Amino acid sequence: GEQVEQRPPHLSVPEGDSAVIICTYTDSATAYFYWYKQEPGAGLQLLMSVFSNVDRKEEQGLTVLLNKKDKQLSLNLTAAHPGDSAVYFCAVSAVTGNYKYVFGAGTRLKVIA
Amino acid sequence: DMKVTQMPRYLIKRMGENVLLECGQDMSHETMYWYRQDPGLGLQLIYISYDVDSNSEGDIPKGYRVSRKKREHFSLILDSAKTNQTSVYFCASSSLPGKEVFFGKGTRLTVV
Repeated sequence: GEQVEQRPPHLSVPEGDSAVIICTYTDSATAYFYWYKQEPGAGLQLLMSVFSNVDRKEEQGLTVLLNKKDKQLSLNLTAAHPGDSAVYFCAVSAVTGNYKYVFGAGTRLKVIA
Repeated sequence: DMKVTQMPRYLIKRMGENVLLECGQDMSHETMYWYRQDPGLGLQLIYISYDVDSNSEGDIPKGYRVSRKKREHFSLILDSAKTNQTSVYFCASSSLPGKEVFFGKGTRLTVV
């Protein structure tokens, strides 16, 4: 079945710098791609969703890139600020089978003021 | 206001007791999920429900059962809780399987 590898597990960046998180998936039938943010003691907040016909999506300081050839999904936080400190998860799902969501293991981002 | 609501937020139970975790959503979503989150293991799917009385096992269903009698409500039941079921449990919903999933705030369950 689908497997998702997320890296890095931990990331520290100075305020104002960019932070990049990458997920690699295995199933070429994967069609839906998501990024979530989890703050301490909270649930997962959906940040962005991307369908497989989109290579790049930008929203509010976030850029998602989808490289279907390499089966790679990335999240770029431009000009990170301390409020971005959280755990970030990617998730993917296919259009066939049981459409099961598969999550990455998460990246703990710390933005240092 | 689109919301997934979980009750209770915190729960302490003794080993062998029964546990009921409740979840509601106000988006008329067909699909609902129960996950548990443990340090180093990420999110693991316990059960998925495609609609009322249409439930399927996820990756780690052992020791759990679910009930969905109304579309907006999905319960997770632990019969005779075990200490290794100490975890944070998240309920979630989506309009259809595979589409955007919306999460509740979680229930932190401690089994002592």
